Amino acid sequence: GAGVSQSPSNKVTEKGKDVELRCDPISGHTALYWYRQSLGQGLEFLIYFQGNSAPDKSGLPSDRFSAERTGGSVSTLTIQRTQQEDSAVYLCASGVTDTQYFGPGTRLTVL
Amino acid sequence: AQSVTQLGSHVSVSEGALVLLRCNYSSSVPPYLFWYVQYPNQGLQLLLKYTTGATLVKGINGFEAEFKKSETSFHLTKPSAHMSDAAEYFCAVSGGTSYGKLTFGQGTILTVHP
Repeated sequence: GAGVSQSPSNKVTEKGKDVELRCDPISGHTALYWYRQSLGQGLEFLIYFQGNSAPDKSGLPSDRFSAERTGGSVSTLTIQRTQQEDSAVYLCASGVTDTQYFGPGTRLTVL
Repeated sequence: AQSVTQLGSHVSVSEGALVLLRCNYSSSVPPYLFWYVQYPNQGLQLLLKYTTGATLVKGINGFEAEFKKSETSFHLTKPSAHMSDAAEYFCAVSGGTSYGKLTFGQGTILTVHP
C-alpha cells in the first residue's frame, strides 16, 4: 500500500522567504508527526497531531514555525521568514497506536 | 522526560561478523523502544520495537534487540552482517503510551567491509 508521501522532495529558498512543506499520511492513520533532521541537532520532534485533539506543539523552535492538519489527513508545515539555521531535512510520520511510519522527507536549503 | 544515548557514532564490521549497536535510554516512565534504519537520502524504516511483554524482540532483516530494564539498555544485534546492512541506525524512545512522540539518539553509522 501507499506510504507517507512528502512534497516537495527538495526546496531551495532565500533567507526571509516563507515556505510550505506538505505531508500526505497513510490513509486511516489518526496520528501525524513532524520531525527535523539536521547535522548539528540530529532528529528533533517538532509537532504532533492526534485525531481532533489540540496538537502538541512543544517541539517547535520558534513562532516562525506553524503547522496545520486539514480534515484529519494532509498536513502542512509552514516556516515564515526562513533563516539559514532552518536548513534541514523535514520528516513527516503517520502512526497507528505505538508505531510511526516515516516519509522520505523534504530537504530544505535556505541560502 | 526521555533521552537516548547511542555509544559509537561509527561502527565498522566485516561481512559475516556480528553486528552490535549499543543504545541506552533514560525514561521517567516505562518506555517504548524502537530501532530505525535510514539509507542514504531516504526516510526512516522501522526495524523493531519493544512495548510490553517479551524482552527479546525480533525485527526485519535478521535484527533483534533485548530490553534490559536493569541496565536501561536496548542494544541491537545481528549474527552475521551483510553488505546491504550498511546504513545509519537510530534508537528511539517514547513515553510508554500509544501515539507518543519519539526522542532519538544521535545515530550510528554502520559500515560493512567485504
